[in-house]
Amino acid sequence: EDQVTQSPEALRLQEGESSSLNCSYTVSGLRGLFWYRQDPGKGPEFLFTLYSAGEEKEKERLKATLTKKESFLHITAPKPEDSATYLCAVQVLKAAGNKLTFGGGTRVLVKP
Amino acid sequence: DSGVTQTPKHLITATGQRVTLRCSPRSGDLSVYWYQQSLDQGLQFLIQYYNGEERAKGNILERFSAQQFPDLHSELNLSSLELGDSALYFCASSPFGQGEGYTFGSGTRLTVV
Repeated sequence: EDQVTQSPEALRLQEGESSSLNCSYTVSGLRGLFWYRQDPGKGPEFLFTLYSAGEEKEKERLKATLTKKESFLHITAPKPEDSATYLCAVQVLKAAGNKLTFGGGTRVLVKP
Repeated sequence: DSGVTQTPKHLITATGQRVTLRCSPRSGDLSVYWYQQSLDQGLQFLIQYYNGEERAKGNILERFSAQQFPDLHSELNLSSLELGDSALYFCASSPFGQGEGYTFGSGTRLTVV
């Protein structure tokens, strides 16, 4: 069974204090790994898609990387507006349709 | 605004009742997905439709059903509601049936009392 585990569950940062979130996955064959940001009471907002080990993508203060077993979301010099829950999800090969299997998320709080 | 529209935003109903949640996908998107998010289970895939046909099914209860109409909007029907069905229900859409991420709506918060 496909599994996605995110750590830590929660992260408290001071503004400007860089950190990394981990997403480890066990799947039969990875089609893609996705990062989403979710604010309270709202739908997940797409951030990145990574398809192969070694791939990296950046957007403002966020950078996502991928290996064969895990992905990291690096937050550089975070600001209070980066406070949110960050969700990792995988899509697998040989699966009918296009479902995403999500991890439990990491709640990030950035204090000024 | 993501372009995916869900109604209603909030719904409070009693146990044993039936409700219908509605989703309009982004313009041009053929696939619609339904997810359930509860505090203890996280985001769980329920079902996917592609251009009117069921494409994939997740852990969707038999009390739940969905359909996608010719104009591509979708409805999720929940019947014989139980307290444990209280959750956020999200709809998402994507252009095709496979191989890419997708855009979520803002959700319907269902409270069963």
